[in-house]
Amino acid sequence: GENVEQHPSTLSVQEGDSAVIKCTYSDSASNYFPWYKQELGKGPQLIIDIRSNVGEKKDQRIAVTLNKTAKHFSLHITETQPEDSAVYFCAASKGAAGNKLTFGGGTRVLVKP
Amino acid sequence: GAGVSQSPSNKVTEKGKDVELRCDPISGHTALYWYRQSLGQGLEFLIYFQGNSAPDKSGLPSDRFSAERTGGSVSTLTIQRTQQEDSAVYLCASSYSSSHEQYFGPGTRLTVT
Repeated sequence: GENVEQHPSTLSVQEGDSAVIKCTYSDSASNYFPWYKQELGKGPQLIIDIRSNVGEKKDQRIAVTLNKTAKHFSLHITETQPEDSAVYFCAASKGAAGNKLTFGGGTRVLVKP
Repeated sequence: GAGVSQSPSNKVTEKGKDVELRCDPISGHTALYWYRQSLGQGLEFLIYFQGNSAPDKSGLPSDRFSAERTGGSVSTLTIQRTQQEDSAVYLCASSYSSSHEQYFGPGTRLTVT
């Protein structure tokens, strides 16, 4: 089955700096890659996603890049703010297979004011 | 509009007892998923319902776990004869269809004593 590795497990950045989280996946048939943000005591919140026919997607301060050949994708957060502090999860799925998600282990991001 | 809701938010039960966890998906969403989030295993897929099709139960960890979805809407996850290793946050997600984004509820924190 699919295996998703996520790095780093923790990330501390100064407010205003950029944060980058990287994930690799094992199944070349995976074609959908969402990113979720989880705050304490809440469920994961979808923040951005990318499908395999696109190499990059951007939404304001958040961007995701996908390298299908290398089977890795990354989340980039620019101009970080204290409210970006949370746990971020990457995931992968094969859309035609029912879209069940395989998650990475998560990255705890701390933005220091 | 209203998001995915889950009840109860917290459940403490004694080892060996049965528990039922409830999920109300977003209105109009045909796909519904259950995931489990635990310290040791991260976020893992349990079961998936899509319309009137037979559910994908491939993620259920043992035959003590079962789920049903009545009328294509509300779903109940049942754990029989609970064990301490069942302690986790159980998350429900729904999507418009199996090829669309998944939106998560707040989860039910289950503690087995």
